Amino acid sequence: GESVGLHLPTLSVQEGDNSIINCAYSNSASDYFIWYKQESGKGPQFIIDIRSNMDKRQGQRVTVLLNKTVKHLSLQIAATQPGDSAVYFCAENINNAGNMLTFGGGTRLMVKP
Amino acid sequence: DSGVTQTPKHLITATGQRVTLRCSPRSGDLSVYWYQQSLDQGLQFLIQYYNGEERAKGNILERFSAQQFPDLHSELNLSSLELGDSALYFCASSPSDEQFFGPGTRLTVL
Repeated sequence: GESVGLHLPTLSVQEGDNSIINCAYSNSASDYFIWYKQESGKGPQFIIDIRSNMDKRQGQRVTVLLNKTVKHLSLQIAATQPGDSAVYFCAENINNAGNMLTFGGGTRLMVKP
Repeated sequence: DSGVTQTPKHLITATGQRVTLRCSPRSGDLSVYWYQQSLDQGLQFLIQYYNGEERAKGNILERFSAQQFPDLHSELNLSSLELGDSALYFCASSPSDEQFFGPGTRLTVL
């Protein structure tokens, strides 16, 4: 398949374990954050989002944590499955900048059966 | 399936040529965004259109241009192509803040 980046940081976890993917964002004025999953040969797929007035948001098997003090975002995946193997990107958005997203460099998650 | 379609899926062309990439947004979405994904630069925002009007511009080269038509589909035109333009080009559409990405067009410039 097509690779989206050859030198991405990689997180390797055992199937069934929890995964935590971290992201440091750059702009203290960012007020909306999104996590995307990108599988080989596909476009980024929306996973979960969070606004800056929240510090935690939960979805199905995923939780996003936002720490504005240190400009840090994390994605927690519970009971990681082989289908979770992909590259994960965080993206930040400053709403007064036309809704453009600024993406982080990505983390490759590899799930071992 | 995000509901965003892009054509073509693959495009191979030569340096100096011009190509047009096409995007159809999700039904009802007025905003269209274009992004470039290369191995060394990651995902970079190029340009946004909202209901036919340019809304925001990012790291888009002067050789590149885009437009959004009355039926809301969008085209990204890349001209005087260089080897370094080889990348994945994604279109996304949005009803508000969330952006939904298409499958991308892989451009290879030889």
